[in-house]
This record gives sequence, structure tokens and C-alpha cells, in this order.
Amino acid sequence: GQQLNQSPQSMFIQEGEDVSMNCTSSSIFNTWLWYKQDPGEGPVLLIALYKAGELTSNGRLTAQFGITRKDSFLNISASIPSDVGIYFCAGHKSGNTPLVFGKGTRLSVIA
Amino acid sequence: NAGVTQTPKFRILKIGQSMTLQCTQDMNHNYMYWYRQDPGMGLKLIYYSVGAGITDKGEVPNGYNVSRSTTEDFPLRLELAAPSQTSVYFCASSYPGANEQYFGPGTRLTVT
Repeated sequence: GQQLNQSPQSMFIQEGEDVSMNCTSSSIFNTWLWYKQDPGEGPVLLIALYKAGELTSNGRLTAQFGITRKDSFLNISASIPSDVGIYFCAGHKSGNTPLVFGKGTRLSVIA
Repeated sequence: NAGVTQTPKFRILKIGQSMTLQCTQDMNHNYMYWYRQDPGMGLKLIYYSVGAGITDKGEVPNGYNVSRSTTEDFPLRLELAAPSQTSVYFCASSYPGANEQYFGPGTRLTVT
């Protein structure tokens, strides 16, 4: 099936550092979404992007919808221990088509 | 609102047994979904439904069945459990358009 390429697969960072991760596709999506999954929990929506070029923030998180509509980026500034988890990107084309998820970026924060 | 609720939270099955994973949402969402999550593999769509009485296969439907008799409930049925079905199962729901899905807490299933 269709896949989104999410990178990096995992990352270890020091508390206070900034984090960047991205998601790319060979095809165009009309909506990009970023989710976070805490250990033992279901994914929780962080940011939704609806227009090419859109830049949206949610606290220390900022996400961008790529101009080509084939990619999206998530940045976390000044990381803290509770940022630990798996971050998933998801893309939606249109209508009733289901979301397509990336495989996730596992973030570990070292205090 | 409780959001999306799933039961049970954990279950161990023997090979060949059957079970139903329950999912209920109280947000009046038309769309509901079942995913499985294997370690390091992200989320794979099993089945989805765009409304009561309508279901459709996702990426990995084999070995599963679903029904959607009400807007609120979307149970997932395993008829003959196999070790390959060991996974964490997530139910999700959304308004029409499939954006912004809301997930339940998951059911961790082990088949031995």
C-alpha cells in the first residue's frame, strides 16, 4: 500500500535541544497531520495542516505543509522530558480515502 | 465526552479462539476505523466505516470482520486467532472527510 517516508526513525536528544523531523511522499496530499503517541496510549492529534505552504504552531511545536504538497515537517523547540514518544505523520488525499500514516519517529529526551 | 473507548485493554488468546474487540465513540462521528500497530511498523488500516451499515476493507483485512449497526459502535471480530494477529489494536473515529481522527487507548492482544 501507499506509504509515507518518515525520518529519522529514532532520535536521542538532550533536554533543551530543538528537534526536527519530516515526512515525504511520492504523491500529493491535500491534508497533513501530525500525531504523538505516548507509551501505552493511542495517538493524539498535535497539528493539522490544510494548505500548501501553511505554517502552524501549537505551543513549542511548529509544523509546515510543503509547497509541493508531497512533504511536511515538524519542529519541537526547547525539548522537555514529556516530549518523549512516537511522532507520526499522516496524509489525506480527498473524500472518503483513508489516512496514510508514516512509520513514526521515536523521540527520546535525555535530561 | 468520553471520546473513543475500547475494551478490553489486554487479552491473551489461544490459537484458533475467537473474540470481539469493542469500540464505542460518543462524538457522533460518522467515520470509524480499526488499525493494528506492530512494533516499529506504524499503523496499518484493517477496516473502516463511513456510516452505519457501510464497511470497507483497509490495507490488512484478512482474518478480521467488522460490522456497523449503529453510529456509535464498530466492533472488530477475530474468528480464528493466529499468532500473526498479536498486535496492539486501535480504534479511531472522525467526521466525514477522514481528517483529524481521534484514537482510543488501544487493545493489546497476544495470541499464543
